[in-house]
Amino acid sequence: NAGVMQNPRHLVRRRGQEARLRCSPMKGHSHVYWYRQLPEEGLKFMVYLQKENIIDESGMPKERFSAEFPKEGPSILRIQQVVRGDSAAYFCASSPPVRGLGYEQYFGPGTRLTVT
Amino acid sequence: TQLLEQSPQFLSIQEGENLTVYCNSSSVFSSLQWYRQEPGEGPVLLVTVVTGGEVKKLKRLTFQFGDARKDSSLHITAAQPGDTGLYLCADANSGYALNFGKGTSLLVTP
Repeated sequence: NAGVMQNPRHLVRRRGQEARLRCSPMKGHSHVYWYRQLPEEGLKFMVYLQKENIIDESGMPKERFSAEFPKEGPSILRIQQVVRGDSAAYFCASSPPVRGLGYEQYFGPGTRLTVT
Repeated sequence: TQLLEQSPQFLSIQEGENLTVYCNSSSVFSSLQWYRQEPGEGPVLLVTVVTGGEVKKLKRLTFQFGDARKDSSLHITAAQPGDTGLYLCADANSGYALNFGKGTSLLVTP
């Protein structure tokens, strides 16, 4: 029973390049969430998606960041024209379609993005 | 956004000692979750507490939710090196967007 899978686990990009982070939710989960963890800061919510729908992207930076969760395939967090400040650990979480207590979310191992 | 304060920020103890870490909020929690995050990994859900005064036990871990639902504590009995990690509290007052504290970083040395 596989958990949330994220790849790559580590990603190095030069300034100005694009970063694509992938997330496959747990089997049976149709809700996906992305969080970012910066050094010295806690985990911060970025976006909440269901299949083919962005439900809430209030935590996403207004520019260069986008997310999708297509009908088939993993959820993708895309960062265009990366800058050094984008270096962080990006975590994906998933939850089942029925709301549990406090929206219990199950996290993947994260993608550590380093921008050089 | 609800402000979550976790204390202490860092804790280093020896194997076998007991410890307590705290999570305090500026307002009432609808529900509160505790996670543990090991280096290089994602957070793992330990427990969800909902009712004021609630106490939950998970082996050597005891979680308490304050009567007023504005604070919570995590007590570990006879800590082991495997307990090392970052302990995070989170609330879902805004619904699905978990709001995390900055965590308590625990190091248990043999």
